[in-house]
Order: sequence, then structure tokens, then C-alpha cells
Amino acid sequence: IVLTQSPGTLSLSPGERATLSCRASQSVSSSYLAWYQQKPGQAPRLLIYGASSRATGIPDRFSGSGSGTDFTLTISRLEPEDFAVYYCQQYGISPPGTFGGGTKVEIK
Amino acid sequence: EVQLVESGGGLVQPGRSLRLSCAASGFTFNDYAMHWVRQAPGKGLEWISGISWNSGNIPYADSVKGRFTISRDNAKNSLYLQMNSLRADDTALYYCARASTIAPRLFDYWGQGTLVTVSS
Repeated sequence: IVLTQSPGTLSLSPGERATLSCRASQSVSSSYLAWYQQKPGQAPRLLIYGASSRATGIPDRFSGSGSGTDFTLTISRLEPEDFAVYYCQQYGISPPGTFGGGTKVEIK
Repeated sequence: EVQLVESGGGLVQPGRSLRLSCAASGFTFNDYAMHWVRQAPGKGLEWISGISWNSGNIPYADSVKGRFTISRDNAKNSLYLQMNSLRADDTALYYCARASTIAPRLFDYWGQGTLVTVSS
């Protein structure tokens, strides 16, 4: 399974809404789709699992949606600390654990 | 507080071996599957191997199968990755990650990584 993330880079200003896309080459079973955030020099952090469930401690400005082959991560109002690279991951279909190529959200 | 601390990275020549370690604390280590995920410089994330709580299930990515061996010592709260026949394309930051109880390859905690550079 291949996960394709778009756009590659998203240039936005603080306070704006960010919409990130993740498309799978085949249907992701039971919405086993996760999103991670990675800031420069840091390890990835789990944001969303099950396509739409927020991980512990994740602010509600982060939301996930989608099913089948099309998934979206939305950040309702960008905070300065949200500028980072975001990866989607499917953890259902063999081989599970595949990551997308990432979307960088940068300050415009 | 969950902590994962990797060590053992460094500069190694092609064809040589290296052993990575991950020291876990802040949780009951033998309750969780553990994984190694790597990230080549400026690139994305690649899952490479995992190990169940009792070492009964040990999958590998095709890119490392036959060269890398994952293991764990529950008495020492430690995860290991033995890397043999290293190649230049193994150069990466290697992360230790804990599997969530929700799904075997959903990673809820990560270490800060240890850098492996394969070069002559």
C-alpha cells in the first residue's frame, strides 16, 4: 500500500486553517489511519488514530476525517507551535506501518 | 513518564556491524510490543522491525530482512537492534517506538533517536 500526501508544502499564516490530505492506493481497513507531527530535531508525536480520534493531550484544533482511501488532517487555527511536518500512517493492511511522504506546514 | 532512550549509533564502514539499544522506563515494558523506525537525512519515516512482548512475533521490512535482528530483554527493560552488513542507504536516525495497546503498529511514544552513518 502506498500513502500519498499532498501538498508537499503548505505555506500559511498563524490563525489560518490548514487542510492536509493523505490518499491510499487501496482501502485502509477499519480506518486504521494515523497522523503524526514532527518538529525539527524532535521525534514524531502521535496526533490522531483511527482516522479521527485524538491521542492523549492533543488540542482540539487538530481533527481527522475520512475513510476508505481518502483522509484529511485539519488544523482549525494554526498556532506558532504547529508549524512542522505531518505524516500519515496506515497500520492495518499488510505490511502495516507504512508512512506517507509527509507534508510540511511552514510559516508564510 | 514514559521514556525511551536510544544509544549505540555512530560512524561505521560499509559491511560492518553495529548494535543499537533502547532503554525504556516509566511503563511496564513487558506489556508492550516495541519497534524500530528509521529516518534517512531529510527523508520520511520507515518502519523496519518490531517485536511482540514475548518475542513471539518478529516482523521485518524487506529492506533489512536477513541483515538486521531485533531482540528484547524484559528483565532489563531494553530493546536492541543488531545491524549487520551495513550499507550506505542504512544511514539514518533510528528511533525506538512503543506500540500502542490500540493496535500493534500504532506508535504512541518515541525516543529521540540515535544516528547511524555508514560511510568509508
